[in-house]
Amino acid sequence: DAGITQSPRYKITETGRQVTLMCHQTWSHSYMFWYRQDLGHGLRLIYYSAAADITDKGEVPDGYVVSRSKTENFPLTLESATRSQTSVYFCASSEGWAAAEQYFGPGTRLTVT
Amino acid sequence: AQSVTQPDIHITVSEGASLELRCNYSYGATPYLFWYVQSPGQGLQLLLKYFSGDTLVQGIKGFEAEFKRSQSSFNLRKPSVHWSDAAEYFCAVASGSARQLTFGSGTQLTVLP
Repeated sequence: DAGITQSPRYKITETGRQVTLMCHQTWSHSYMFWYRQDLGHGLRLIYYSAAADITDKGEVPDGYVVSRSKTENFPLTLESATRSQTSVYFCASSEGWAAAEQYFGPGTRLTVT
Repeated sequence: AQSVTQPDIHITVSEGASLELRCNYSYGATPYLFWYVQSPGQGLQLLLKYFSGDTLVQGIKGFEAEFKRSQSSFNLRKPSVHWSDAAEYFCAVASGSARQLTFGSGTQLTVLP
């Protein structure tokens, strides 16, 4: 199916564990983004990528790692999860940079215990 | 740095009533402005955007927004709300040079029957 998918949709992990959230898009969009959504903060950008092998930090990158070896995939890794990383994570893609419409995935709800 | 303020955390309206959601931005030059909607458990969907030209922009689902440079505002309006409009609404801004969107904290809309 065309679109942008995220997996898993729900994840519970323990403090200190490594966890990877997956994002896959079928449009061959150049840009991909990772956001976290927390009450009272709206969406905050974690990392973004302008193309394969090109990534850059957003507003809140600490504790996260990204890679983009293929245009269609943009995984987000929490190397050592902390409780403050409990959040809903959204992946998005767009044809261009921020001025272009971003298409969002359904989100991953992550709980760190 | 650019910023977005949505002063209303929660708004309740009756079905059929008119709606206005407020958005104020902070940025020196003319920004790119967006409204996104998030239905429960879903990702965000673009309602409308403003880049330049006519300051009144039309979007999907019967929504419109007006850019007012003098007030640094980009308020979202709908003349008659439907129960299906109940959702969270996010205003976002991107500057001409920024490669990322900055989101407001969102306004939760409840529609009464």
